[in-house]
Amino acid sequence: GQNIDQPTEMTATEGAIVQINCTYQTSGFNGLFWYQQHAGEAPTFLSYNVLDGLEEKGRFSSFLSRSKGYSYLLLKELQMKDSASYLCAVKDSNYQLIWGAGTKLIIKP
Amino acid sequence: ETGVTQTPRHLVMGMTNKKSLKCEQHLGHNAMYWYKQSAKKPLELMFVYSLEERVENNSVPSRFSPECPNSSHLFLHLHTLQPEDSALYLCASSPTGSSGANVLTFGAGSRLTVL
Repeated sequence: GQNIDQPTEMTATEGAIVQINCTYQTSGFNGLFWYQQHAGEAPTFLSYNVLDGLEEKGRFSSFLSRSKGYSYLLLKELQMKDSASYLCAVKDSNYQLIWGAGTKLIIKP
Repeated sequence: ETGVTQTPRHLVMGMTNKKSLKCEQHLGHNAMYWYKQSAKKPLELMFVYSLEERVENNSVPSRFSPECPNSSHLFLHLHTLQPEDSALYLCASSPTGSSGANVLTFGAGSRLTVL
């Protein structure tokens, strides 16, 4: 079967750096997405990786290793507003999105 | 108004009721989706419409009935639901059906509670 694994919950301190990991086993690969979802709000797009390497976008970066079936989302200079759930999703060979259960990130002052 | 708008934001219904969820997008997208989000579970894709035609129906019980009258509007009609159907129902849209890096734009969801 197809599977996306990410930690259920993580805690970090304001101003610090946190890395949220995502591992996947899917039938084929056509890209990996990260979305952010604040409580009671819509998920919003953060990043898309289809080639190996690091994509940087301000305080957020996303890394992909297709050979390892692995990605991470790196958040720098954490702010209280970064408290949210982070969803990892992979497009398989049929371009179907396979979702992880999300990682709830708690930022403490 | 821009983005994807869902109404109602909260809905409580009994198992014998009939209600509908509404989704509207003003992004010019031609694909629309219904997802179910339950606590600590991955998003479950329920239905996909592309150019107003249903292209996916992921073995969803018949008590959920989608309707897409035009490319901007999507409905989810609910009848004789079960308590386990209580969840957040998310609507999303995208520029194309499935290929490439097309990004989903989500609504804030309709929180459904079935008593």
